[in-house]
Amino acid sequence: NAGVTQTPKFRILKIGQSMTLQCAQDMNHNYMYWYRQDPGMGLKLIYYSVGAGITDKGEVPNGYNVSRSTTEDFPLRLELAAPSQTSVYFCASSYTGGSSPLHFGNGTRLTVT
Amino acid sequence: AQTVTQSQPEMSVQEAETVTLSCTYDTSESDYYLFWYKQPPSRQMILVIRQEAYKQQNATENRFSVNFQKAAKSFSLKISDSQLGDAAMYFCAYRPSLEASGSRLTFGEGTQLTVNP
Repeated sequence: NAGVTQTPKFRILKIGQSMTLQCAQDMNHNYMYWYRQDPGMGLKLIYYSVGAGITDKGEVPNGYNVSRSTTEDFPLRLELAAPSQTSVYFCASSYTGGSSPLHFGNGTRLTVT
Repeated sequence: AQTVTQSQPEMSVQEAETVTLSCTYDTSESDYYLFWYKQPPSRQMILVIRQEAYKQQNATENRFSVNFQKAAKSFSLKISDSQLGDAAMYFCAYRPSLEASGSRLTFGEGTQLTVNP
């Protein structure tokens, strides 16, 4: 049981480049989330999904896009990378809302220079 | 919107002693869930403990316990018999019980805990 798998673990991008952060879970979870964590700070929600075909914006969605074509996968797309997007990105999932705990991936450290 | 505040950016404790980390939150909901997550240097997010707002009894998990004061909107974490492996960043988080807005988890800014030998 792999849980939540994020790839890549590290990435360096040049300003203006684009990339996709991959996230997959094998727990049949309906809810999936993307958070970013800036150095020494808490996690801020970028996008979330409550099921295949359904996505919505979180607190800090600008510069990002997501899709949810399957229950398992929830990729995060960065278009025209900017230095402000340098951060650690976490994907998380849960079976339902409420008391159901979030399971986190190990994060992707992204640097934009 | 809900907010979560952790007023102690850093805390330290001697090994084997007890430390309490503070957390307050703001919500207009009556039913919700509160969590403490631990993030060691490996940056993995690990669930420490959770509390249902409708339960008056404070949650306990081995050396970890909470003091949940619903009226005061306070949710502190007590770590007893602190161990070197407890050193980490600790995040308090709030989650609404309703399914609206994706039942998103809102995090505080974190408290960096150092355990001194």
